Amino acid sequence: AQSVTQLDSHVSVSEGTPVLLRCNYSSSYSPSLFWYVQHPNKGLQLLLKYTSAATLVKGINGFEAEFKKSETSFHLTKPSAHMSDAAEYFCVVSGAGSYQLTFGKGTKLSVIP
Amino acid sequence: GAGVSQSPSNKVTEKGKDVELRCDPISGHTALYWYRQSLGQGLEFLIYFQGNSAPDKSGLPSDRFSAERTGGSVSTLTIQRTQQEDSAVYLCASSSSGDRDQPQHFGDGTRLSIL
Repeated sequence: AQSVTQLDSHVSVSEGTPVLLRCNYSSSYSPSLFWYVQHPNKGLQLLLKYTSAATLVKGINGFEAEFKKSETSFHLTKPSAHMSDAAEYFCVVSGAGSYQLTFGKGTKLSVIP
Repeated sequence: GAGVSQSPSNKVTEKGKDVELRCDPISGHTALYWYRQSLGQGLEFLIYFQGNSAPDKSGLPSDRFSAERTGGSVSTLTIQRTQQEDSAVYLCASSSSGDRDQPQHFGDGTRLSIL
């Protein structure tokens, strides 16, 4: 079984400052991990994925995440927040040898002008 | 290119009525998934289709829920005798295969409200 914990339900940053959204996972095997973003009244859009290649993963819109096995973490970062980054972010782990996704409860990011 | 398309985008219905939600996956994607997103419950897996294989229905919450996928493409999620607790956003996703490394691409969802 696997699980995902997003450590903050809400993060607020000023425009132009760094973003850090924290995610810890639990898995009995080598996981595939994803970050998705959801804007209001929209579906989930894939930001980036980790699938056992490079531990530092670059995604769209300047986001990146680092897989740290020793810490079972997969935190999402961005050097400089933009107003358009305001949304809800989901950390996701895939099921053992299968397709089922386990979602974190989400982190709502607010960006203050 | 075209993404996952869901219809209707919003549906309001009375308790006890049946509803049908439609999903049109990305062309060529063999895997299709339905999820439910509700306040307090987050995102829950409902059902998975892969090619011509029998679907994984393990996430369906009750026998009032069913889904089919015709011709390996369009899928319909049906909820019979709707209850207020069925109010949620129903999301459909597709991927090129059922491999766990393949990302799932989501539609914008159907927001279902049961009065």
